[in-house]
Amino acid sequence: GDSVTQMEGPVTLSEEACLTINCTYTATGYPSLFWYVQYPGEGLQLLLKATKADDKGSNKGFEATYRKETTSFHLEKGSVQVSDSAVYFCALTPINQAGTALIFGKGTTLSVSS
Amino acid sequence: GAVVSQHPSWVICKSGTSVKIECRSLDFQATTMFWYRQFPKQSLMLMATSNEGSKATYEQGVEKDKFLINHASLTLSTLTVTSAHPEDSSFYICSASPDPDTQYFGPGTRLTVL
Repeated sequence: GDSVTQMEGPVTLSEEACLTINCTYTATGYPSLFWYVQYPGEGLQLLLKATKADDKGSNKGFEATYRKETTSFHLEKGSVQVSDSAVYFCALTPINQAGTALIFGKGTTLSVSS
Repeated sequence: GAVVSQHPSWVICKSGTSVKIECRSLDFQATTMFWYRQFPKQSLMLMATSNEGSKATYEQGVEKDKFLINHASLTLSTLTVTSAHPEDSSFYICSASPDPDTQYFGPGTRLTVL
């Protein structure tokens, strides 16, 4: 079945460092891909998404590009801030199944220190 | 923005008792709501899909008689954990979907069964 694999955490960075969180997926066809973020004590929030190959999702300085050839959707940010400390989840919805539940990776905890 | 609330946010109960968790979409109507379970340092695992006015669809391995789901209105879904046991202790998260391409997540409910 469809699945998502993301890099193990925790990831610890200093402020203004570059961030990459790897995410790869296994799915039939072209699923929609998402990054969600969970700040301490809060619910998951959609960070960005991409619905077709070569699309780039971006938000709050984060970006990720839908790479069909490598089945990847890596999350990147050029300069992280302390406020970016959170858990990041890569997720997908299967092709042609809009309205179905998301399939999540295990989450990667990011800790940014000043 | 769209808000999904869960109540209670934290509950402790004795083994053998039942616990009801509410999920509400506060400023939109959701024909579909999803219930997830999250174990420590693990991903969210879908338990069931709830459509307003119809029976919930449970994922394989989820006991429908133990985890009762009711979606009586377009803004409310409830999850009742019946005869709870310590192994049911977990973080339960709901999401509400106003359209097939969007899900908004609640902040979660921490259940501890003694």
